[in-house]
Order: sequence, then C-alpha cells, then structure tokens
Amino acid sequence: SQQGEEDPQALSIQEGENATMNCSYKTSINNLQWYRQNSGRGLVHLILIRSNEREKHSGRLRVTLDTSKKSSSLLITASRAADTASYFCASWNAGGTSYGKLTFGQGTILTVHP
Amino acid sequence: DGGITQSPKYLFRKEGQNVTLSCEQNLNHDAMYWYRQDPGQGLRLIYYSQIVNDFQKGDIAEGYSVSREKKESFPLTVTSAQKNPTAFYLCASSILAGFADTQYFGPGTRLTVL
Repeated sequence: SQQGEEDPQALSIQEGENATMNCSYKTSINNLQWYRQNSGRGLVHLILIRSNEREKHSGRLRVTLDTSKKSSSLLITASRAADTASYFCASWNAGGTSYGKLTFGQGTILTVHP
Repeated sequence: DGGITQSPKYLFRKEGQNVTLSCEQNLNHDAMYWYRQDPGQGLRLIYYSQIVNDFQKGDIAEGYSVSREKKESFPLTVTSAQKNPTAFYLCASSILAGFADTQYFGPGTRLTVL
C-alpha cells in the first residue's frame, strides 16, 4: 500500500482563498517532500521538510510536519488559477528495504476558480 | 539547458510487443528512477539505479526491464509479460540516492496498448 495517504482527494476553491492539503504516512522518515503535477506533465518539486523540522516556508507555501502523528500539511496562501494542479506528498524512508527511494501519496487535485 | 528528456511523448503498442522508453539526463545526477502512474493515483516505483551498471527492483518491477550503461541514460523496456502496461511513465533523477535528495522529473511518456 502507498506510504502516503492524502486528504482531501479533491479540493475546489476560489482565487484568493487558501488551500490546505494533508498527508499521512506510516513509517519513520528522513524527510517529506511535496510535488506538483500539472495535467499530463511531469512532477515539479515544491518543498522539502526534514524529520527534525516542524515548519517550513517557501513563498506562498507553508509546510508543517508532525512526526508524532506521522502527518504533514501543505498550505497555499492567496491561491491563483495557475495553482490548479495535483499535489503529491512523498516520504523518504529512513532505512531498511526502502532505503534510497521516495514513496508517493495518491495526491490531491486542486482546482482554483478565477 | 539542463534537464531530463523522455521520448517518445506518446507510444502505442500492440499486445505481445516489447517497447522501450527513453530517458536521458544532463544534470550529472548519479541516481535515476522509473515510475508508473495510473489515472487518479500516485506514482509507483518500477526500478531505480544508484550508479552506472547497477539497478534495483522497485515495488512493481514484474514485466519491466532496465539497463544503466551510461550515467546519462536509463531506458525502460516494457515487455510482453507486463499484463496491463497502459499508463503514464515518468523518469526522474537525483544527485545521489540515499541522501534524501529531491528528484527531478521528465515530462513523461504515455503508453497505450492497442
């Protein structure tokens, strides 16, 4: 099963509103990453948060990580129509048989209406 | 221009045929990855390579094969043994696997079995 589970599966908002997406994971991690995918395209890395960090900002993005709850959230503030895309969390596992790979969640489809 | 290229963008295969998807990177990255994405789902790891002439199976390697003869290239062959190959295939690379790096993705190849 997928390491990451994302919630909600789909989110529809108006331009200017904030969008929050959540991700849960099962095993211990080195870091958690968020990626964006426009329809039919490859993924683009947005932000990485390490297991010893609790919050990180990048422009209009804010990511939090709660390792005790094995969860992360991505907040996009003041959303724009151009933010319409699928957003994936991906966890880098700490070791064992999963060493050296990212495990992706199923993604949240964000639609921002002008 | 640095980046990852994948070709072709669209590929049609008849049942029983093997097809090879190309992935090239000029980022001087050591690690390369192949993922499969089905509609509405996240990415699943097929194979990954941390160094030239070495590669490991991912979560869904059955019916696929790879080679890594050059640092820049990591082609994926979808064999006739793959029961349901219709999917979107994404290639990625990172500076060095195992160091929890971000991954850089190509634009993808959409494979359809006729």
